[in-house]
Amino acid sequence: EAQVTQNPRYLITVTGKKLTVTCSQNMNHEYMSWYRQDPGLGLRQIYYSMNVEVTDKGDVPEGYKVSRKEKRNFPLILESPSPNQTSLYFCASSLSQRDVTDTQYFGPGTRLTVL
Amino acid sequence: KNEVEQSPQNLTAQEGEFITINCSYSVGISALHWLQQHPGGGIVSLFMLSSGKKKHGRLIATINIQEKHSSLHITASHPRDSAVYICAVRSKFMSQVGGGSEKLVFGKGTKLTVNP
Repeated sequence: EAQVTQNPRYLITVTGKKLTVTCSQNMNHEYMSWYRQDPGLGLRQIYYSMNVEVTDKGDVPEGYKVSRKEKRNFPLILESPSPNQTSLYFCASSLSQRDVTDTQYFGPGTRLTVL
Repeated sequence: KNEVEQSPQNLTAQEGEFITINCSYSVGISALHWLQQHPGGGIVSLFMLSSGKKKHGRLIATINIQEKHSSLHITASHPRDSAVYICAVRSKFMSQVGGGSEKLVFGKGTKLTVNP
């Protein structure tokens, strides 16, 4: 089954404790992206990757890192989480971002609480 | 002003009613997506449009590029249609690493509740 998986689905952590949210897709997609969703603000892009070893900042990259060593995986790293990073996070992928017919596939979301 | 505006923010309907959700945008776009977010949080792509109209079951999406406006219609609404509907536009920008690229810019969503 074609899908985007994220782990963990739920995480409660404390300020400053490094964490990684994993994202994996099995559709051989080139483009992957991370979004956060906050009440009243909607979805905002954190980082994206157009292909292996090619990543770039989105609209709200502060406090986050990413890597794209393999095509299927795009982990989101919070080196020193803070309470303002409490949010619902989504990973998404599409075949490429240059074809107007591409559909975005979203992961199930990770609800992160930073105390 | 947000680049993508949706209306209404909240919508309550009775089962069977015809529903319309509107999306207006202020940037140049290559395509527009309608997404559905279930109460559990998962997001599913319903439509991607670059012109005209698309239909899938009871859902119809239209776009008017000249007016920078799109509508999502639900005919014969049902309680299982209750969800947040999100409009997102694909907008071009200059990437720092790879020349031109596109990104999604999202509206804040319309929460639809359909009562039995």
